[in-house]
Amino acid sequence: EDKVVQSPLSLVVHEGDTVTLNCSYEVTNFRSLLWYKQEKKAPTFLFMLTSSGIEKKSGRLSSILDKKELFSILNITATQTGDSAIYLCAAGGSQGNLIFGKGTKLSVKP
Amino acid sequence: GAVVSQHPSRVICKSGTSVKIECRSLDFQATTMFWYRQFPKKSLMLMATSNEGSKATYEQGVEKDKFLINHASLTLSTLTVTSAHPEDSSFYICSAPQGIYNSPLHFGNGTRLTVT
Repeated sequence: EDKVVQSPLSLVVHEGDTVTLNCSYEVTNFRSLLWYKQEKKAPTFLFMLTSSGIEKKSGRLSSILDKKELFSILNITATQTGDSAIYLCAAGGSQGNLIFGKGTKLSVKP
Repeated sequence: GAVVSQHPSRVICKSGTSVKIECRSLDFQATTMFWYRQFPKKSLMLMATSNEGSKATYEQGVEKDKFLINHASLTLSTLTVTSAHPEDSSFYICSAPQGIYNSPLHFGNGTRLTVT
C-alpha cells in the first residue's frame, strides 16, 4: 500500500531557528516528491523533486530527495513567524496520483 | 488515523458526458470538504468549498454549472464534471479538515480524469 509518512507531526521553534522536516515514502512507480505549505484552504506549492541528491532552494527554504532511502527533507533556515503553517509532503506515482502525508505543523514563536 | 477516500482513482470518458467523483471521510465527520484541481506546474488550485447541507462556495473563475458539488451527508461530497471537454482533463483532489476550520487537512488520493 502506498504511503507517505511525515515527521515530526508538530514542531514549535523560535524565530531564527533552523528546522528540518522529514518525509518518507513508499509509492509504486515513484516519479516525484512535492512539498506544499498549507496556511488556509489551498496548499501553496514549494518544490518538486525528481532526482536524488540535487538540492532545490528558494530563499530560506531548501529540499533534497534521496531515492535510495526513500525520503526527503525540507529545511527552513532563520525561521520567521510567517513560516508558521502546516507543511505537506506528497509523492507522485506513474499513474499521476498524489499520496499526501499528514503534514508537519510548524509554529514559530517571536 | 483519519482517512479520506476518493473514487474513482482514474476515469476516461468521452466529450459531452458527465463524470462523478466521490470523496468520503471514513472515520470522521466532515461538514466541510475542499475540491482542488492540479495544474501542470503541480500547484493545487482550490475550486470550491463543499458545505454539508448547503450550497457549495465556488472560487472565482470556476463554473458552478459545470462543476456540480453536492455534500449530501457528513461523510460524503461529490464533484460532477458535466458535459466534459478535453480541457477538463486533469487531476482532481478532495480534502477535509478533521475538526475545526484550519485544522490539518486530510487528502484523498485524487482522481485522474481524461476526456477524449
